[in-house]
Amino acid sequence: GDSVTQMEGPVTLSEEAFLTINCTYTATGYPSLFWYVQYPGEGLQLLLKATKADDKGSNKGFEATYRKETTSFHLEKGSVQVSDSAVYFCAFMDSNYQLIWGAGTKLIIKP
Amino acid sequence: DVKVTQSSRYLVKRTGEKVFLECVQDMDHENMFWYRQDPGLGLRLIYFSYDVKMKEKGDIPEGYSVSREKKERFSLILESASTNQTSMYLCASSLGLAIPYNEQFFGPGTRLTVL
Repeated sequence: GDSVTQMEGPVTLSEEAFLTINCTYTATGYPSLFWYVQYPGEGLQLLLKATKADDKGSNKGFEATYRKETTSFHLEKGSVQVSDSAVYFCAFMDSNYQLIWGAGTKLIIKP
Repeated sequence: DVKVTQSSRYLVKRTGEKVFLECVQDMDHENMFWYRQDPGLGLRLIYFSYDVKMKEKGDIPEGYSVSREKKERFSLILESASTNQTSMYLCASSLGLAIPYNEQFFGPGTRLTVL
């Protein structure tokens, strides 16, 4: 069935380090792909999205590229900050217009 | 900006109580959703609604019901709360279901503890 697999956390990095959070999906067709972020004490908010193969979503220095051949949508940032500490969720929209979610990856950035 | 508000941030109830969680959105969105969020499980859809008085079951509707009498308000009801319903409950809304209207906007969540 449809599913999303993302890196288990927590991921702990030092400030200014390079970040990759892996996400792969199993779905029929070519769904829209999303990264959502949940900062401490807040609701989820959309970080970026991509709607077709080879699209690159970007926002706040984060990027992710829709890779159809590997069914992946890895999240990257070149230089993380303490303020990026949050939980990151990968998701896609299935053929019934429902979001299928990964388990979330907690990111901790140390000064 | 879209604003989705939830009636409580924290709630403590006893087993067997009837619990109401309220959600209101202010951007005239057609669709509203209720999820629960548990560590290691991500978000799981309980119910959603694509129009007033319309509802659809999600992945885990057992033990829950919903009500949408007005477009801006979507309520989640636990008829008889149980300890396994202790969780974070998230409400979301979206303008539409298809691209580019399918971005979901989330409320801050209600952390429910059932004793």
